[in-house]
Amino acid sequence: DVKVTQSSRYLVKRTGEKVFLECVQDMDHENMFWYRQDPGLGLRLIYFSYDVKMKEKGDIPEGYSVSREKKERFSLILESASTNQTSMYLCASSSVTSGANVLTFGAGSRLTVL
Amino acid sequence: DQQVKQNSPSLSVQEGRISILNCDYTNSMFDYFLWYKKYPAEGPTFLISISSIKDKNEDGRFTVFLNKSAKHLSLHIVPSQPGDSAVYFCAANEGSNYQLIWGAGTKLIIKP
Repeated sequence: DVKVTQSSRYLVKRTGEKVFLECVQDMDHENMFWYRQDPGLGLRLIYFSYDVKMKEKGDIPEGYSVSREKKERFSLILESASTNQTSMYLCASSSVTSGANVLTFGAGSRLTVL
Repeated sequence: DQQVKQNSPSLSVQEGRISILNCDYTNSMFDYFLWYKKYPAEGPTFLISISSIKDKNEDGRFTVFLNKSAKHLSLHIVPSQPGDSAVYFCAANEGSNYQLIWGAGTKLIIKP
């Protein structure tokens, strides 16, 4: 089974703090994604990466950055957390380069910014 | 501009009956459609997909129907079970485009 592991399930941070969310997948997938999920808004793509050291902006990249130094690891960084970044963050991976892009998701990281 | 729309935020169905979840799209270039299921405090899990060259795909209790002329797809769950209570997301992608375009989700509640 493909496993996508997110390092923290629940985090509470203060406004202005730097936040790291880490994601590791164990199936040698090329593609990795960071989404945030908010009620009524579905899943919104923050960043994705289709190869090591490659990154592409998604729909809502402002206030976020990412790092992919190794194929299996994709990190999301909030340089200065703000209250409007309180959300559920979901990491996913896939190996598809064409066809139905079936993503495998981690369990999610619930971030609260006070 | 929402390219994938799930117009029902929630749906309540009696256990044992059929659940029908709907999804509309606007981009005729989409060629794959996927359904995901999400429980609270967990990541979404893939359920079933359909290619735009087909009009039906079945997997156990789950069937997805695609009507290209109406730009509409639906997920049928028969019979509905309590464990089916979850949020269901419809998503679409276009060829080699890595990005999935997601609907806002429909919360399905199965009543005993």
